[in-house]
Amino acid sequence: QKEVEQNSGPLSVPEGAIASLNCTYSDRGSQSFFWYRQYSGKSPELIMFIYSNGDKEDGRFTAQLNKASQYVSLLIRDSQPSDSATYLCAVNIEGYKLSFGAGTTVTVRA
Amino acid sequence: GAVVSQHPSWVICKSGTSVKIECRSLDFQATTMFWYRQFPKQSLMLMATSNEGSKATYEQGVEKDKFLINHASLTLSTLTVTSAHPEDSSFYICSAVQETNTEAFFGQGTRLTVV
Repeated sequence: QKEVEQNSGPLSVPEGAIASLNCTYSDRGSQSFFWYRQYSGKSPELIMFIYSNGDKEDGRFTAQLNKASQYVSLLIRDSQPSDSATYLCAVNIEGYKLSFGAGTTVTVRA
Repeated sequence: GAVVSQHPSWVICKSGTSVKIECRSLDFQATTMFWYRQFPKQSLMLMATSNEGSKATYEQGVEKDKFLINHASLTLSTLTVTSAHPEDSSFYICSAVQETNTEAFFGQGTRLTVV
């Protein structure tokens, strides 16, 4: 499988702060990228996808993609305790066959 | 939104027995389904790609004779763990892709414990 690396974490942020998650990928030909949130014992749920270089915003979440640097990030603004979870970066290999990073566990302190 | 249902949600079985896990797309037809496995504190690892009406494609290191996959219809794929052993205990998750190929939808996962 193609390599996807995430910053190891865990990441602890106070409520209301910005959580910053990073991901790099090895296959320069990769075209689409996903961020999933996974609560303990549950299946991943899609937060955002991004295909084009630049920023993509959805509510409190912003994904950033830099294909030249093979880098994807996720910012969570105004972090809430309910955002405490493991965040998985995924790269589409083909046809939504995904290669996942190891995940970064985020804890938002009230 | 599209719903993918896995059954059972959890199962405990004795070592040496076989366990079947179902993955159903409830409101769409899925030409392709994927099976992942997740060990504790680790990420999802792709096991195999399941295409309706054809043999599954397994990832390197995944034993096709141990993990039998059948995709008999556009809404159902099954994973059978044969002769299960404690090291097969894991969280098994399927995803299904719509024919329009816009997104992969995940099932809720199956927690398998082999004792």
